[in-house]
Amino acid sequence: GAVVSQHPSWVICKSGTSVKIECRSLDFQATTMFWYRQFPKQSLMLMATSNEGSKATYEQGVEKDKFLINHASLTLSTLTVTSAHPEDSSFYICSARDGSPSSYNEQFFGPGTRLTVL
Amino acid sequence: AQSVTQPDIHITVSEGASLELRCNYSYGATPYLFWYVQSPGQGLQLLLKYFSGDTLVQGIKGFEAEFKRSQSSFNLRKPSVHWSDAAEYFCAVGALTGGGNKLTFGTGTQLKVEL
Repeated sequence: GAVVSQHPSWVICKSGTSVKIECRSLDFQATTMFWYRQFPKQSLMLMATSNEGSKATYEQGVEKDKFLINHASLTLSTLTVTSAHPEDSSFYICSARDGSPSSYNEQFFGPGTRLTVL
Repeated sequence: AQSVTQPDIHITVSEGASLELRCNYSYGATPYLFWYVQSPGQGLQLLLKYFSGDTLVQGIKGFEAEFKRSQSSFNLRKPSVHWSDAAEYFCAVGALTGGGNKLTFGTGTQLKVEL
């Protein structure tokens, strides 16, 4: 149980285009999802916290207008990188929080999406 | 604000040898602590977690970790390392905020296993 999927697993796009990444909780309802960014050989940096049906909360330094987050249902959150540039190339990982009382608010991580902007 | 320190960026051990990866945290209350493992190009897999109770926690793949409040540490151990354990290991501390469990990650320790 507690499986989180991401789609696509990798994407290459041209500079100036927008890219959408999906994060799905497959067997549980996730009231909260998190988006992280990971640079090569570095740790995960939290970008934003996404709550179902409300606006995302962005971490300091993360551009809201560039990284659009939508959490329209209890099983799906999307991250759209708008007008992507080479510096947006990175590994994006989502996680979903299982809100059931027995889970202690544990986060379950997706497999990540490798974005390369040419 | 919470923080996590993993002092060792790289560690190399021989297969069959014991392993200890260090993790120190800073948090004002009782922390939720996690160890994750990441293989190249992959997401994170949870090895073990500590929320409360017994300070020695057992995880998957033969890993264990001990929570020591007096030392603000949560070191990961394995008595005998296998070549397949080579990966990046992240320690994380969780806090309950208004919307959920916000995790702060350490910088990671890259484990290399010599055959």
